[in-house]
Amino acid sequence: GAVVSQHPSWVICKSGTSVKIECRSLDFQATTMFWYRQFPKQSLMLMATSNEGSKATYEQGVEKDKFLINHASLTLSTLTVTSAHPEDSSFYICSARGLAGSGELFFGEGSRLTVL
Amino acid sequence: AQKVTQVQTEISVVEKEDVTLDCVYETRDTTYYLFWYKQPPSGELVFLIRRNSFDEQNEISGRYSWNFQKSTSSFNFTITASQVVDSAVYFCALSGAVSGKSTFGDGTTLTVKP
Repeated sequence: GAVVSQHPSWVICKSGTSVKIECRSLDFQATTMFWYRQFPKQSLMLMATSNEGSKATYEQGVEKDKFLINHASLTLSTLTVTSAHPEDSSFYICSARGLAGSGELFFGEGSRLTVL
Repeated sequence: AQKVTQVQTEISVVEKEDVTLDCVYETRDTTYYLFWYKQPPSGELVFLIRRNSFDEQNEISGRYSWNFQKSTSSFNFTITASQVVDSAVYFCALSGAVSGKSTFGDGTTLTVKP
């Protein structure tokens, strides 16, 4: 089946630095990618929707200047956590969707960010 | 709007018992996808199954089986002869085929005791 790959799987960084997480669709073109976040002991919540070549749409309460999303190509979306702080420590997961109705909708493995 | 309800918050069983995790969903989409994921203590999300709303056939994979009933909007997950390694948080998720947006349930924490 189709694969969506996230990199890195784990990242530890110092407070104040920026961290980039990549989400790649390996064998299909993802017109839309979604980013989710999971706080400890909670469920996953949608952060933003990104469409290739256009600005991301953020869910209410998500700071777009904090979480920069770039969907530069049909196979790659990146999430950059800018000036990370310990409260940004979380599990981030992406999903990628092909053409609507194509049946192509798959999740990445997730990326765990720890900010010291 | 989509909604996923995982009926059990926590389940505790003794090894070798069978256990069923219930998932009930709401959606206005006519085409959608249902997922089950396992999240062990190590934290990563492990994909278990993806089911298209048009495919109501039940599926079995080893000790795992899934019962999809569109009439009751349920997608239940059964582990047969549970093992300690099955201990994890299990998430049920629903994704609209058009929007692609996914809604996750709150998770069911399964503890299998030896």
